[in-house]
Amino acid sequence: KAGVTQTPRYLIKTRGQQVTLSCSPISGHRSVSWYQQTPGQGLQFLFEYFSETQRNKGNFPGRFSGRQFSNSRSEMNVSTLELGDSALYLCASSPIGSEGNTIYFGEGSWLTVV
Amino acid sequence: SQKIEQNSEALNIQEGKTATLTCNYTNYSPAYLQWYRQDPGRGPVFLLLIRENEKEKRKERLKVTFDTTLKQSLFHITASQPADSATYLCALPLSGGYNKLIFGAGTRLAVHP
Repeated sequence: KAGVTQTPRYLIKTRGQQVTLSCSPISGHRSVSWYQQTPGQGLQFLFEYFSETQRNKGNFPGRFSGRQFSNSRSEMNVSTLELGDSALYLCASSPIGSEGNTIYFGEGSWLTVV
Repeated sequence: SQKIEQNSEALNIQEGKTATLTCNYTNYSPAYLQWYRQDPGRGPVFLLLIRENEKEKRKERLKVTFDTTLKQSLFHITASQPADSATYLCALPLSGGYNKLIFGAGTRLAVHP
């Protein structure tokens, strides 16, 4: 069974630009969540989607948005990039949307904003 | 607000010894707690989940305890090996649940031959 796949793995953007990151969950998984990881703040929850609906959102500005498609694939978008958005963005999927399930992380997308 | 603290930034131990990592939390009564392993440049890998009504859980050389009175979890790796060297993260569900987790900063473990 293929794991969580994130694309692209690495990208460099300029301040003010926008970026879209993609996540393909494990087949059959319907819950997808996104996290940002930085050396200073660690792993922080961005948002979670289940059946195309955003169920939870973390404390990030509105520049961070996401969506989930009917095949459970998800994208997140960051608009008007700032230097502080440089981070590893991780997507995680789990089989069903209830609490206490194992969640499986992808390898992440490394974003550098210059 | 909910906070998680993990002990020290790095833990150095000798191969074959038991590594013990600590996770403390405040202002919170979680229904469960999870431990993850993260290698440099890679996503975290789920290791163990322990629920509030479980005192201890084991998986091969790993053992996790959960003391809801002390608000603490201990993560043990017995007979440690250099391949166990990684960062270990504990995570708790945030209110609202649904895979909304708060992570500790992680403890970097280095096992020396």
